[in-house]
Amino acid sequence: DTGVSQNPRHKITKRGQNVTFRCDPISEHNRLYWYRQTLGQGPEFLTYFQNEAQLEKSRLLSDRFSAERPKGSFSTLEIQRTEQGDSAMYLCASSEYYEQYFGPGTRLTVT
Amino acid sequence: QKEVEQNSGPLSVPEGAIASLNCTYSDRGSQSFFWYRQYSGKSPELIMSIYSNGDKEDGRFTAQLNKASQYVSLLIRDSQPSDSATYLCAVNRSGGSNYKLTFGKGTLLTVNP
Repeated sequence: DTGVSQNPRHKITKRGQNVTFRCDPISEHNRLYWYRQTLGQGPEFLTYFQNEAQLEKSRLLSDRFSAERPKGSFSTLEIQRTEQGDSAMYLCASSEYYEQYFGPGTRLTVT
Repeated sequence: QKEVEQNSGPLSVPEGAIASLNCTYSDRGSQSFFWYRQYSGKSPELIMSIYSNGDKEDGRFTAQLNKASQYVSLLIRDSQPSDSATYLCAVNRSGGSNYKLTFGKGTLLTVNP
């Protein structure tokens, strides 16, 4: 069990650029989640996959955000036309049932 | 009313004492409850889950759940300086396809040597 991995760990981008993050879940977990966390706040739910199906999306996930899990394994989260308000830690988690295990996160800084 | 509320702290306890962390939630349909520990600059780490009313013990940690009062707590016995972190309460409504977690803002715990 190697745990959830995320890449890159840090990303600095200029406003208006597109960025893509990758998450590799724990191998036997069929559920995968994306959360966003800003300083002083708990993680906020963004979206959830069961296998390759995206079953729920938060209204926090604007049209500039898209997530995929094409073969039910790894997932990508893309942010188009980044804004300074997108600066946050983007967390991926996976689960077999209800207990979710988080990856190390990708810290995004938009300048 | 916020969905999941925690006292933001900081909560300061001496080494060896019992630390008590509290959480209330607003959704009566909530079925699953979790405590995560988050060190500064790191991601949340699952330390306890509880699904039924009562107490659940795991080592120095005890989670307590009271669904009638919509209250969940975490006790840390024999607190150590390494327990100094932010503790996040998370709640899941469960059922159907809804597995998302709703988090509180967290309580910062400081254990003084």
